[in-house]
Amino acid sequence: QKEVEQNSGPLSVPEGAIASLNCTYSDRGSQSFFWYRQYSGKSPELIMSIYSNGDKEDGRFTAQLNKASQYVSLLIRDSQPSDSATYLCAVSPSSNYKLTFGKGTLLTVNP
Amino acid sequence: DTGVSQNPRHKITKRGQNVTFRCDPISEHNRLYWYRQTLGQGPEFLTYFQNEAQLEKSRLLSDRFSAERPKGSFSTLEIQRTEQGDSAMYLCASSTTGGLRDTQYFGPGTRLTVL
Repeated sequence: QKEVEQNSGPLSVPEGAIASLNCTYSDRGSQSFFWYRQYSGKSPELIMSIYSNGDKEDGRFTAQLNKASQYVSLLIRDSQPSDSATYLCAVSPSSNYKLTFGKGTLLTVNP
Repeated sequence: DTGVSQNPRHKITKRGQNVTFRCDPISEHNRLYWYRQTLGQGPEFLTYFQNEAQLEKSRLLSDRFSAERPKGSFSTLEIQRTEQGDSAMYLCASSTTGGLRDTQYFGPGTRLTVL
């Protein structure tokens, strides 16, 4: 059973702080890694994709991948109340293939 | 609007009835995926298509579930003899094998409630 593990939270941070979200995966052959944001009652929205070890930055978001440790994280800088949502980590063994999702981490940013 | 669309957005049905959902992918996306999401869980893969060919079905997908993509454009997901355990959000996503690698874009989902 290929698994993706995330802390369910809730993770609560004050506005302007850095939120750190973590994800581990069991399939060592995984090649594609994604972070999706999901507001309550809505569908997942892609935040970041990462394919190589290291960091990838996009605005206030930074994804970090460590394949040796089977670990991927998402940092959100200058957190805003509008960032309050569930963040889903998704992993795929290859390009253009099904995603395996974690259960998600609920993030609350307090004004 | 050029995103993934799904219809209906909500469906309430009685146990034992059949339901059908439709997904229209982003234009020219040749891959189409169906996922199911229950409360507090991440989406779970059900099946996917490349063009009109159904390439994989999850073992979670019982014989009561069937999906089609007859012309390689829109797709339908049918559930026969619905059960209360089928209550969930059914999500469709599409991607292209070219361009932005393998990003899957999700539709708004169809929320199914089986009474």
